[in-house]
Amino acid sequence: AQSVTQPDIHITVSEGASLELRCNYSYGATPYLFWYVQSPGQGLQLLLKYFSGDTLVQGIKGFEAEFKRSQSSFNLRKPSVHWSDAAEYFCAVGARGNTPLVFGKGTRLSVIA
Amino acid sequence: DSGVTQTPKHLITATGQRVTLRCSPRSGDLSVYWYQQSLDQGLQFLIQYYNGEERAKGNILERFSAQQFPDLHSELNLSSLELGDSALYFCASSVNGGRDEQYFGPGTRLTVT
Repeated sequence: AQSVTQPDIHITVSEGASLELRCNYSYGATPYLFWYVQSPGQGLQLLLKYFSGDTLVQGIKGFEAEFKRSQSSFNLRKPSVHWSDAAEYFCAVGARGNTPLVFGKGTRLSVIA
Repeated sequence: DSGVTQTPKHLITATGQRVTLRCSPRSGDLSVYWYQQSLDQGLQFLIQYYNGEERAKGNILERFSAQQFPDLHSELNLSSLELGDSALYFCASSVNGGRDEQYFGPGTRLTVT
């Protein structure tokens, strides 16, 4: 079965600084990978996804993520963080068959002035 | 707006009671998922239905049950409620299931007093 680890529970960055959120997965074959964002009191919104092909994927709100098979990672990046990016970020992995997506425990992002 | 709707938005009830949460998936989506999100447990997958049939089960208590109706809407029934059941309950939907990206509703906040 697949699994996901988000090593950072909470990250604080300054507005305008760059951001990288880490995600490591465990799965024997090529996974489907996703990043979701959850603003306070809201549902989860899909930021981006990787199925195959180009390992650098672009998403909404200026986010991108890079799939690195050798490191089993799918880290989320943004070159310049805005205060509105403060939220909880979830990485998820999908496998073959009917198994639903498996979500990581999330990383809470705080943005300071 | 993800296209997934959930009612009610908020629910306050007493211990021992029973409640029903409702979810309407995005048009064309056949799979519905239920999640529980609390501060201490994070995002927990409860159960998945696909085209009216149960497909996957996660950490769902025996006091909880769900179903998906012929029009594809779903209901999550929570009975003999305990204080610890207070949480956000999310519904998500996807076209089929498995590796498909999931689209989340805004959630139902349940408070058990």
